[in-house]
Amino acid sequence: NAGVTQTPKFRILKIGQSMTLQCTQDMNHNYMYWYRQDPGMGLKLIYYSVGAGITDKGEVPNGYNVSRSTTEDFPLRLELAAPSQTSVYFCASSSGWEQYFGPGTRLTVT
Amino acid sequence: DQQVKQNSPSLSVQEGRISILNCDYTNSMFDYFLWYKKYPAEGPTFLISISSIKDKNEDGRFTVFLNKSAKHLSLHIVPSQPGDSAVYFCAASGSNYKLTFGKGTLLTVNP
Repeated sequence: NAGVTQTPKFRILKIGQSMTLQCTQDMNHNYMYWYRQDPGMGLKLIYYSVGAGITDKGEVPNGYNVSRSTTEDFPLRLELAAPSQTSVYFCASSSGWEQYFGPGTRLTVT
Repeated sequence: DQQVKQNSPSLSVQEGRISILNCDYTNSMFDYFLWYKKYPAEGPTFLISISSIKDKNEDGRFTVFLNKSAKHLSLHIVPSQPGDSAVYFCAASGSNYKLTFGKGTLLTVNP
């Protein structure tokens, strides 16, 4: 079991560029989540999904989009990257309250 | 408005002593609480949880206490070990398994 995997580990984007952060889980979990963590802050929920084809906004969705076409994959799309999106992004999955996290993607927008 | 608060950014304890990490919440709809541990450059890992119908849950060296009337929970680590040095996040959930996290407390256990 690989658990939750995220790619890439690191990325530097120029302002206005777009990219997709990949997230895959092999635990057959229905629930998947995207968080961002800024320095000195807790994790803030960007988007979540309760199953394939169903997504909903979290606390900080602006500037992001998601899709969930399969149980395993939950990609996060950044359109028109801005410096405020510089952060560490974590994907997680769960079948209940206990969420399992990936190792994170460190994104810098300059 | 922070719904989950960890008021101590950092805590330092000696190896073998007790570590007590605190967490307060404001939303009375929260009914499930979790603690996560995070090492640098890694994702958070689940440590221990407690339902609102309980006031204590133990797992080895880790015990979580919940005081619903005070909207307060704490994590006790006994005895503390250097490998416990990490950032500890408190999280709370009310529905849909969505979690609201505190800002975290950096625990340093000195040998």
